[in-house]
Amino acid sequence: GAVVSQHPSWVICKSGTSVKIECRSLDFQATTMFWYRQFPKQSLMLMATSNEGSKATYEQGVEKDKFLINHASLTLSTLTVTSAHPEDSSFYICSPSQALRTEAFFGQGTRLTVV
Amino acid sequence: EDQVTQSPEALRLQEGESSSLNCSYTVSGLRGLFWYRQDPGKGPEFLFTLYSAGEEKEKERLKATLTKKESFLHITAPKPEDSATYLCAVKGPTGANNLFFGTGTRLTVIP
Repeated sequence: GAVVSQHPSWVICKSGTSVKIECRSLDFQATTMFWYRQFPKQSLMLMATSNEGSKATYEQGVEKDKFLINHASLTLSTLTVTSAHPEDSSFYICSPSQALRTEAFFGQGTRLTVV
Repeated sequence: EDQVTQSPEALRLQEGESSSLNCSYTVSGLRGLFWYRQDPGKGPEFLFTLYSAGEEKEKERLKATLTKKESFLHITAPKPEDSATYLCAVKGPTGANNLFFGTGTRLTVIP
C-alpha cells in the first residue's frame, strides 16, 4: 500500500489559536488530496478536496475560511484550523489520491483537542 | 442520495467464533465498494475492494463478498488481534474519487 505520513498525530490547543496539520504522500504523486473529519462514534466525513495548484473545494457546511487547505506540491498538503473552537475537536485524516489508483489510502490521523 | 449502512454497530465474539458483518449500500452506479480496518486513534487500513456482484476476496481470516445491494465481511475463527472497527465505503459519483463511509462495526474478540 501507499505510504502516507500525517503529522502531528495529536495536538491540544487553546481556543482562538490556529493549528496546522501536514500530510505527505511518500511514494506517489498525489494530484488530489482529500481531507476527512471523524467525530467520536461517527463515520469519516469528507471535508474538502484539493487538487495540486488549485483552490480546494469544500463540502456543504464546512467553512473555507476556517479550514485553510494548501496543496502546493504533489507530495504535501496542509490543513490549517484557524481560530479553533472546542467544537472543532475531532480526528482529522488525509487521503492522497491519484487518478489511476483505485484504492484509497489514509494518513494516521490527527487528534485535535481544543480547550 | 448515496447511503452506506453497516450492521451491527458492535459485535463481541469469542476467539474462534466465526461471524459476518453487513454493509448495505445505495449508490447510483457503483464504482467500487471498499472495506477498511480502523484501530483506535489510527487512520483506516485498506483491506479489500469489490467492483461487481458475485465478486469475492480473501485475506487471512477475512473474506469479503458483494451482491447488488450489500456486502459481507466474513471473519473465520477470529483472534483477539482482529479486534478493531471495520468500515465499509463506496466511491463517490462519477468523476469524484472520494469515499462515502458507513459508521462502522466495532468488533471485539474475547480470548
